[in-house]
Amino acid sequence: AQSVTQLGSHVSVSEGALVLLRCNYSSSVPPYLFWYVQYPNQGLQLLLKYTSAATLVKGINGFEAEFKKSETSFHLTKPSAHMSDAAEYFCAVSDRGTGGGNKLTFGTGTQLKVEL
Amino acid sequence: DVKVTQSSRYLVKRTGEKVFLECVQDMDHENMFWYRQDPGLGLRLIYFSYDVKMKEKGDIPEGYSVSREKKERFSLILESASTNQTSMYLCASSFGDRSGTQYFGPGTRLLVL
Repeated sequence: AQSVTQLGSHVSVSEGALVLLRCNYSSSVPPYLFWYVQYPNQGLQLLLKYTSAATLVKGINGFEAEFKKSETSFHLTKPSAHMSDAAEYFCAVSDRGTGGGNKLTFGTGTQLKVEL
Repeated sequence: DVKVTQSSRYLVKRTGEKVFLECVQDMDHENMFWYRQDPGLGLRLIYFSYDVKMKEKGDIPEGYSVSREKKERFSLILESASTNQTSMYLCASSFGDRSGTQYFGPGTRLLVL
């Protein structure tokens, strides 16, 4: 069984500051991990994914995430926040088809606020 | 670009009505999914389908049914809508490979009065 924990339902940063959104996972198989972003009144958009290649994954809009097996973590970072980064971010883990259909289990989301 | 479309962005229905939410994808994906999204609860899987006419229950299937008659189309049906089904409904699709990357539609915000 898979599960995802996102620490902090709301995170606030100043424009230009480091963004750090935390994600810890639990998985019975070597995980595939994802970060998605959701802008207001829109669907989810893939930011980046880890599928067992490089542990540091670069995504769109300057975001990156590092897979740390020993810490069961996949935290999302961006060196310098921009106002346009304000959105809700979801971490997800894949069951890799073990239960049929490649289901994703999502965290409860982190709302990122960027202040001037 | 993968495109997943949903039939309505906003929908208002009355308690007891039968509600159909439709989702269409244009990438020949094998898998399709229906989620509901509620504040503080993230996304919860209602049903998914890994092939035409095949369906599997997700985590919260009660009060819902689905239909997949064609590969590109996946419908979510609320047989008798209730106020606790007021929510945002998201459809997604993915290839049958193990990476599991899902592509999402824009969502349907349903209000049941």
